[in-house]
Parts: sequence; C-alpha cells; structure tokens
Amino acid sequence: AQSVTQPDIHITVSEGASLELRCNYSYGATPYLFWYVQSPGQGLQLLLKYFSGDTLVQGIKGFEAEFKRSQSSFNLRKPSVHWSDAAEYFCAVGAPRAGGFKTIFGAGTRLFVKA
Amino acid sequence: EPEVTQTPSHQVTQMGQEVILRCVPISNHLYFYWYRQILGQKVEFLVSFYNNEISEKSEIFDDQFSVERPDGSNFTLKIRSTKLEDSAMYFCASSGTSGLSYEQYFGPGTRLTVT
Repeated sequence: AQSVTQPDIHITVSEGASLELRCNYSYGATPYLFWYVQSPGQGLQLLLKYFSGDTLVQGIKGFEAEFKRSQSSFNLRKPSVHWSDAAEYFCAVGAPRAGGFKTIFGAGTRLFVKA
Repeated sequence: EPEVTQTPSHQVTQMGQEVILRCVPISNHLYFYWYRQILGQKVEFLVSFYNNEISEKSEIFDDQFSVERPDGSNFTLKIRSTKLEDSAMYFCASSGTSGLSYEQYFGPGTRLTVT
C-alpha cells in the first residue's frame, strides 16, 4: 500500500537559514510526488511535483526537491527561509487509477521561522 | 488561471442535520474528488468520481456520504446525518482533460463545524 512519512512534526529555523523537510514514501511503481503548503485555515497550494525526468525539481517560492529512488525520499529544500514561509508542509504521493488519481498525504511538518 | 471553487467557506450545522458542500471544478476536467482534513491531522482521500459514477472510495466514505454532479458544472458532497466527528475541512479537487492526468487542482476548502 502507498504511504508517506514525514518524520518531523515541526521544525524551527531562523530567517535566512537553509531548510530541508524530509519525506519518505512507499509505492510499488514509479511514484508521482508532490509537496503542498498550507497556511493556517487556508487551502493547499502546490509547491512542486515530480513525475519523471530530472530528479531535482524546482518549484515556486524558491523551493526545490530531490527525488532519490534508492532512498525512497523526496526532500524539500530552500536555501534561505523567509518569515512568510511559516506554514504546514505536506508531502504526497499520487497513485494513478483508471477512474482518476488518488493522492496520499503525509502527516505534515509545521515550519516555524524565528527572527 | 482556472481554479476550483467551493461554497460555503464555512458551514456550521447541528448533529443529525444534512449538509451539502458544493464545488465548481475546472470546466474541462473529467475527474473529481473529495478529501477531508480533520483539524491538526493530515488530508485524507474520501472519493473519486468519473463519468457520473464513483470510481473509488475510502473506508471513511460510508453510507452517510454521497456525491453528485447534478448539472454538469457543480460537484457536491452530501452528508446525510452529520456527526460531531464529521467536523473537518473538506477539499474538492479536479483533474484531467482526457485520459489519465496526474495533477489534481484543489479548491480552498469548506470548513464544516458540527455542534
């Protein structure tokens, strides 16, 4: 069965510092991988996605993620965090179906940014 | 840019009442979904809908839930007799113009509060 593990429930970084959020997935075939961000009380915004090709994926807001098949990982990175990046981040794996697509989300990592 | 919209943004209802959550998917999409996020928890798949029928549903999606595409533009989720544990954020999503499409576009969510 597909699953996503985000080992860190919350992370605190200083503004301007680098960030890495960890994500491990379990999926039997080629995974379709996503990172979403959610501000409190808001919806889900897609940061980036990986379907195939280059394993280093660039997203919006200066985020990138690297797919490592050997480690079943898809970690999210940002070289310099801004206070506005404080939010909940969800890693997700997508499973294509004949009747559509099913996204399985991790439990999320809450990012706190200190001045 | 086209987007998925949901109404209302917040719904308060009493236990045992019926609620209908409404979504307008992206106009040329073929696949429709509902997800749920209980406060502080991860986003969970409820149901997918294609060609006017349910293509997949989770164990959460019991007989109290139903979905419908009544008029070719709206996509609704009905909860027949709400329980306290139905309190959550409900996200609608859509995908696909033809064949399989691997990116879901999420709406902003409806926060359902059952009292």
